[in-house]
Amino acid sequence: GAGVSQTPSNKVTEKGKYVELRCDPISGHTALYWYRQSLGQGPEFLIYFQGTGAADDSGLPNDRFFAVRPEGSVSTLKIQRTERGDSAVYLCASSQGLGDSGANVLTFGAGSRLTVL
Amino acid sequence: GNSVTQMEGPVTLSEEAFLTINCTYTATGYPSLFWYVQYPGEGLQLLLKATKADDKGSNKGFEATYRKETTSFHLEKGSVQVSDSAVYFCALRDTGRRALTFGSGTRLQVQP
Repeated sequence: GAGVSQTPSNKVTEKGKYVELRCDPISGHTALYWYRQSLGQGPEFLIYFQGTGAADDSGLPNDRFFAVRPEGSVSTLKIQRTERGDSAVYLCASSQGLGDSGANVLTFGAGSRLTVL
Repeated sequence: GNSVTQMEGPVTLSEEAFLTINCTYTATGYPSLFWYVQYPGEGLQLLLKATKADDKGSNKGFEATYRKETTSFHLEKGSVQVSDSAVYFCALRDTGRRALTFGSGTRLQVQP
């Protein structure tokens, strides 16, 4: 597609429920990143994929968070047993590859706003 | 660990005023430095970057110089416009890592 698409744009759920957030990167982009942005803060890194594999998941806060990218394109961020502190905007970004060349600039999606009541 | 500190906002300026948004960083290696901008209702966009000491990044009239001696990457623009109103994020990517570390953002409001 023309940009990074994230769905849903807004999700309200109750504490303890399971949530899935989807990211559709730009076609042909091999690198995909998830970040979390809490109100008034900058984005915090969660995980990044190179192809189908999670190359760095050091930012996932605990084992309630998991992400997959089974075919190397669309990715799903999964949050189990949601807590109020999980409320944030979850951002997805993709790039054509790695490195700092112009072709590898990150393109961010508009985000999925998660509210846990 | 890595960290980025930005001046707090909001910064309110009149059109055509000079802009400086301060950014300092802490990193274990030799990071690349970035400024991202988030316009109202839009996703984060890369504004400019610098990959080594003394490099100057520039775009859309904005500039920032990578100063290793002061660990800084201050954003400047000589004459701001109303359309520059947005939230600006300073970020770094340390050597050997793909993850970006962001500052907390600075909101800029430009009044006509």
